[in-house]
Amino acid sequence: AAGVIQSPRHLIKEKRETATLKCYPIPRHDTVYWYQQGPGQDPQFLISFYEKMQSDKGSIPDRFSAQQFSDYHSELNMSSLELGDSALYFCASSSRQRATFSYEQYFGPGTRLTVT
Amino acid sequence: DQQVKQNSPSLSVQEGRISILNCDYTNSMFDYFLWYKKYPAEGPTFLISISSIKDKNEDGRFTVFLNKSAKHLSLHIVPSQPGDSAVYFCAASQGGSEKLVFGKGTKLTVNP
Repeated sequence: AAGVIQSPRHLIKEKRETATLKCYPIPRHDTVYWYQQGPGQDPQFLISFYEKMQSDKGSIPDRFSAQQFSDYHSELNMSSLELGDSALYFCASSSRQRATFSYEQYFGPGTRLTVT
Repeated sequence: DQQVKQNSPSLSVQEGRISILNCDYTNSMFDYFLWYKKYPAEGPTFLISISSIKDKNEDGRFTVFLNKSAKHLSLHIVPSQPGDSAVYFCAASQGGSEKLVFGKGTKLTVNP
């Protein structure tokens, strides 16, 4: 079965640079969530989108923005990168459509961002 | 404030025995609970879930028990296998389709 795809898998950036992470949800999933996991930490919710509209917002810095496109893929844009942004960034998807509804969120493999 | 707590950072069991992973939560508004398994450098893999209207859900070797009055849930793995060795995260959501709040995880090691 198709899973959540994230790209790139690894990214190295310098301080103050920008980064764009991409997420392709499971086919027919309409909801995308972004999480950040620091070293030895639990995943922390950043932001979510449902049908291309932001549905919830967590502890996402103002330097970050995200959007969901018409094909349901999502991009997380990170600017003015700081050393503390180094983490694993996970995207997850789920479906709120009646025919394919799922409470469960399915995660991608993550993007490891290293800021030097 | 950690709303989902996994107080045991690690657990070691023998192959074939039962593994019991525990999770406590503080937010009484949580109504859906999930367990994820995570290997290093991979994303969390969904294992099993339970709605607050149930007290037990079973899927093969995995059973999740929910005690709402105690705000406690547990994951039982029987029999445990070496391939089960991973970090297990407990997660909770409010309203089903909303963000997940995770515990800090329990590292399970199943010894052959």
